[in-house]
Amino acid sequence: SAVISQKPSRDICQRGTSLTIQCQVDSQVTMMFWYRQQPGQSLTLIATANQGSEATYESGFVIDKFPISRPNLTFSTLTVSNMSPEDSSIYLCSTKTGRENGYTFGSGTRLTVV
Amino acid sequence: QKEVEQDPGPLSVPEGAIVSLNCTYSNSAFQYFMWYRQYSRKGPELLMYTYSSGNKEDGRFTAQVDKSSKYISLFIRDSQPSDSATYLCAMTEGGGNKLTFGTGTQLKVEL
Repeated sequence: SAVISQKPSRDICQRGTSLTIQCQVDSQVTMMFWYRQQPGQSLTLIATANQGSEATYESGFVIDKFPISRPNLTFSTLTVSNMSPEDSSIYLCSTKTGRENGYTFGSGTRLTVV
Repeated sequence: QKEVEQDPGPLSVPEGAIVSLNCTYSNSAFQYFMWYRQYSRKGPELLMYTYSSGNKEDGRFTAQVDKSSKYISLFIRDSQPSDSATYLCAMTEGGGNKLTFGTGTQLKVEL
């Protein structure tokens, strides 16, 4: 199954700034997914990123706040823009594995906005 | 009401116990059901994958799906301290790509 390297693993950022999170997959994959995991809440899908097209955002998430790039079939970035303390969360990327219809995840980026 | 409900725990059991973790859901279109294990400061790791109703066993883990009751379970036999983690249920509609997760159950297996 695919292996995802995600970085940074954690960061502390000032409000009003932006952070870009990177995910590198060890094989070519069609779709990559970005999730947010807030304390005490379930993982929530932010958007789906296909190579060569604009990302598809879920309700409540907008491109201006969470721009995504997908320049090739092994790489994607998520930017958290104009951050506020409410953006403090764990952000995870994911893709489908070869194992039935399961999904594999990166190790996550723990973001704290102060 | 959330689409997927899962007791957050924490659940504490002695080593060797049988653990039962459960989720209920409201969307009858869900057809693919998964259990993930997440250790602290790590991403979720796929444990079990089940399509439609029935049981599936893999080593010490058994996943059960009862679509008529909209209820899924994960059983862990002979639990070990290394099983201490958060267990997330997840599900998706047939042909869809979006995963809907429960909030996760925190499990601690004590010596």
